[in-house]
Amino acid sequence: KQEVTQIPAALSVPEGENLVLNCSFTDSAIYNLQWFRQDPGKGLTSLLLIQSSQREQTSGRLNASLDKSSGRSTLYIAASQPGDSATYLCAVEADNFNKFYFGSGTKLNVKP
Amino acid sequence: GAVVSQHPSRVICKSGTSVKIECRSLDFQATTMFWYRQFPKQSLMLMATSNEGSKATYEQGVEKDKFLINHASLTLSTLTVTSAHPEDSSFYICSARTGALNTEAFFGQGTRLTVV
Repeated sequence: KQEVTQIPAALSVPEGENLVLNCSFTDSAIYNLQWFRQDPGKGLTSLLLIQSSQREQTSGRLNASLDKSSGRSTLYIAASQPGDSATYLCAVEADNFNKFYFGSGTKLNVKP
Repeated sequence: GAVVSQHPSRVICKSGTSVKIECRSLDFQATTMFWYRQFPKQSLMLMATSNEGSKATYEQGVEKDKFLINHASLTLSTLTVTSAHPEDSSFYICSARTGALNTEAFFGQGTRLTVV
């Protein structure tokens, strides 16, 4: 069974700092990997989707990489802002199409 | 990105009653919709997958008679929690997808259910 782990569980940084969130998965046979943001008591906002054939995707200050063979993905946030404070979740689509496995998330706090 | 609307955002009900949660894809047709449950400080757990016009596929350990899922159209899926108990209190989130390969999954805002 696919297991998804996110490290660290929580992270607090000063505004302006660049940071990296990590996601690892146990089975490299995935279709896609998707990063989400979740604000307290809210649903999920899709940030980036990386297909299994891709190595990275970029959107604004966000860059996500995927190393399928080693079972790892990173989400890089440049020049962090207080508005980036949220929980970041990664999810891999595996086993069969539409089957998502979620990590437990990294709670990010960006201090002004 | 595409918009998935979930309603209500919060609901409080008495034990033994049933509650219906709606999930709508507002600007696309969702061939497949998903229902997740999230416990405090934990990640999302998939409850069931539904395809328009067919019966939902439930994950192991999810009672299909308790959590009724209907996906009658390409833009609407409903989750009904029947005979609710306090242990059903949780955050429920729906997700929708067009069905095309390698497309993003979009999520609703979630519904906080409290059973008293």
